[in-house]
Amino acid sequence: EVQLVQSGTEVRKTGASVKISCKFSGDSFTDYFYHWVRQAPGRGLEWVGLVDPEDGKTKFAEKFQGRVTMTADTSTDTAYLGLSSLKSTDTAVYFCATTLRGIGADGTEPFDYWGQGTLVPVAS
Amino acid sequence: YVLTQPPSVSVAPGKTARITCGGNNLGNKGVHWYQQKPGQAPVLVIYYDRDRPSGIPERFSGSNSGHTATLIISRVEAGDEADYYCQVWDSTTNHQVFGGGTKLTVL
Repeated sequence: EVQLVQSGTEVRKTGASVKISCKFSGDSFTDYFYHWVRQAPGRGLEWVGLVDPEDGKTKFAEKFQGRVTMTADTSTDTAYLGLSSLKSTDTAVYFCATTLRGIGADGTEPFDYWGQGTLVPVAS
Repeated sequence: YVLTQPPSVSVAPGKTARITCGGNNLGNKGVHWYQQKPGQAPVLVIYYDRDRPSGIPERFSGSNSGHTATLIISRVEAGDEADYYCQVWDSTTNHQVFGGGTKLTVL
């Protein structure tokens, strides 16, 4: 059974940085892309970006360009999200989620597995 | 690319709920639907317009044509009360896009 287990709540002040983790188990780590999706309190889902664990390549939503990093460690089957220059509007639950990777994958695949979410409150 | 959902839909138990998702030529894309209950991660309920993952009841179905995709929940139960999100991949930007979400209330 595939599981994604995320790190715990991270409280930050504005201007600080945060790094959260997503530990994968139950299948081959490199068979999936690792996405990050966030949800501000009372709001909808927002795609942040993805990392390819095979080569470390990333794609980010434009609004996060320049202050987001995503990495994947194949030795520990763990994906990471880093976000810098935090603002109060970055307060959200951050989810990791997977889509299938490999031959035939064209980007249209659904998010099939999700982590439990990591709360990042940013206070001024 | 923008996906538009109604903020809320209400339905009586045992009736059929229809939640729409609108987008330009959406019928040319594969639409996925997620159910999210309070405090939980989203769960995939329909993928590629009409396919159901294992474990999702047959009461959940979907369609997609023209500019509108629809999630259909038949014989609605109290446990179906949740937020529902549509999602597509935008090939122009290579980005994933979510609709704003629809809160389903079971009366």
